[in-house]
Amino acid sequence: EIVLTQSPGTLSLSPGERATLSCRASQSVSSSYLAWYQQKPGQAPRLLIYGASSRATGIPDRFSGSGSGTDFTLTISRLEPEDFAVYYCQQYGSSPPGLTFGGGTKVEIK
Amino acid sequence: QVQLVESGGGVVQPGRSLRLSCAASGFTFSSYGMHWVRQAPGKGLEWVAVIWYDGSNKYYADSVKGRFTISRDNSKNTLYLQMNSLRAEDTAVYYCARTQTKYDILTGLDYWGQGTLVTVSS
Repeated sequence: EIVLTQSPGTLSLSPGERATLSCRASQSVSSSYLAWYQQKPGQAPRLLIYGASSRATGIPDRFSGSGSGTDFTLTISRLEPEDFAVYYCQQYGSSPPGLTFGGGTKVEIK
Repeated sequence: QVQLVESGGGVVQPGRSLRLSCAASGFTFSSYGMHWVRQAPGKGLEWVAVIWYDGSNKYYADSVKGRFTISRDNSKNTLYLQMNSLRAEDTAVYYCARTQTKYDILTGLDYWGQGTLVTVSS
């Protein structure tokens, strides 16, 4: 079973700053099968990135994903007030089929 | 527009059963795989189960295997989660979510319901 470890646990930044979130897998993950989500308090998660680097429909281009193998990154180029939230990485495995989520990174206002 | 609306949550005693429903609208339900994902209070996301678009295959997290059953009725555009032998650690908000791509479950989850809270307590 693949374990996803996200770091840091909390990121304290100011609006306008750049955020870099890390997701490390315990074994190699196909880039096609890595996604990122944003979740705000009291809301369901929202898909941001799929296939490691493709933005989902309606996601602003300040969000970008990169990485391969065991190391993946979500970058928010310039934080907007609405971007302060918790972010989860997720991989979808095929053997057996199922999903694994990372523990999350909270991006908070400094 | 795509909508997923969960129902059926509530307070239940340990060892009892509960069935959750997820009513889908705004898309061709029978073409998409569906997942249940849960979130314990103040915790992260945990995948629970997946069902193929036609119901032909189902897979579960080890934590619920043998106790939970995912199913769907494509004629009613509804997804279900039958939860038996409930434990305190099953307390969570349960979300249903749609796979992003038709006929494929190895994708992101692009639409989520608002969630329904299940509390297991005596």
